[in-house]
Amino acid sequence: RKEVEQDPGPFNVPEGATVAFNCTYSNSASQSFFWYRQDCRKEPKLLMSVYSSGNEDGRFTAQLNRASQYISLLIRDSKLSDSATYLCVVNFGNSGYALNFGKGTSLLVTP
Amino acid sequence: EADIYQTPRYLVIGTGKKITLECSQTMGHDKMYWYQQDPGMELHLIHYSYGVNSTEKGDLSSESTVSRIRTEHFPLTLESARPSHTSQYLCASSPENTEAFFGQGTRLTVV
Repeated sequence: RKEVEQDPGPFNVPEGATVAFNCTYSNSASQSFFWYRQDCRKEPKLLMSVYSSGNEDGRFTAQLNRASQYISLLIRDSKLSDSATYLCVVNFGNSGYALNFGKGTSLLVTP
Repeated sequence: EADIYQTPRYLVIGTGKKITLECSQTMGHDKMYWYQQDPGMELHLIHYSYGVNSTEKGDLSSESTVSRIRTEHFPLTLESARPSHTSQYLCASSPENTEAFFGQGTRLTVV
């Protein structure tokens, strides 16, 4: 079982739609959580960190549920430029390499 | 923008050649990582380092080797390139328990 699991994609949505991605993680001792965005043939870039209280950045809202070991990303009013792969990343906080990437969920926003 | 650099960006090389992919960061991060990613596929961790003189193998078995003689430098070497090594190689660094910053990647093609 993979340690960080994401919704299978791809998600095809029309412009203006609201879309939500989910991610579950296996390690209850996980310390920090992130969503990354990766454009085609580019490197991943940090979209936002995910805090226990939840956080919002413009059209993007991230939430964390530690009890269920689950994080989510909500994108409101989707734009064509939101088309990308969204990677869930979890820091397990142990002495080993800390960052664990999900496989990613592909989003295509269409006109 | 993150101060992490990879060279070369693109490399086409013949089978059997020795190659070194360079990765440098100027942020003073102790943790550095090498990932391998095929087009449209997930990231696979192949090597990581906690600091100078520390290197470990990642999830995915790789015929490459790495060294960490200086904090800012984490080169990856393939002694004898093969077509199966064709892929994108992404280097990243992070401070303790926070997000990782990625270089732009090296796209390697072995012919």
